[in-house]
Amino acid sequence: GAGVSQSPRYKVAKRGQDVALRCDPISGHVSLFWYQQALGQGPEFLTYFQNEAQLDKSGLPSDRFFAERPEGSVSTLKIQRTQQEDSAVYLCASTKSTGNRDYEQYFGPGTRLTVT
Amino acid sequence: SQQGEEDPQALSIQEGENATMNCSYKTSINNLQWYRQNSGRGLVHLILIRSNEREKHSGRLRVTLDTSKKSSSLLITASRAADTASYFCATPSGSARQLTFGSGTQLTVLP
Repeated sequence: GAGVSQSPRYKVAKRGQDVALRCDPISGHVSLFWYQQALGQGPEFLTYFQNEAQLDKSGLPSDRFFAERPEGSVSTLKIQRTQQEDSAVYLCASTKSTGNRDYEQYFGPGTRLTVT
Repeated sequence: SQQGEEDPQALSIQEGENATMNCSYKTSINNLQWYRQNSGRGLVHLILIRSNEREKHSGRLRVTLDTSKKSSSLLITASRAADTASYFCATPSGSARQLTFGSGTQLTVLP
């Protein structure tokens, strides 16, 4: 079956532009995560959705970052007024877990954002 | 912040050799997971080991867990060029069970 998909795969933005990154999770997966991965590092947690509810946004680095999942499936991560330090790969992951038991997370290919 | 460190940061071996990567973590855990990331791709789940397990096998993979030392190791036997990738350990934490990753080991298998 289809895995997690993300679009665009690559995005170049000029400093100050707004960007929107899309994630299509595996159908039926309740939980959705966004991670940010800097070059040469492991991914770092940004935010978590259970269905349409954003239950944890503790990892969002600033109020320029905003995420939504209005119908409990597709999610969008928006970054306003992009800065050079926002350059990274943004990974989306989904899982059938709802928190009471851990399952593997399925990752999308990521969106590589470069801010010039 | 990263959960811990992986050791070594980079490893280069010949095809057919075994590769061992180590991971240390800081907090108590229910389980530990290993993921592989090929260049420019997302992460792929390899294996999950629960805190009450000491060793687990999956194909050419062998994972050990020592909760007293807060460490885990991943052994890949009879490596292949296709095993070239970055390998990360990760532990779930928080109410969201989000994964906290180590810094990764870059494995290169030379043909």
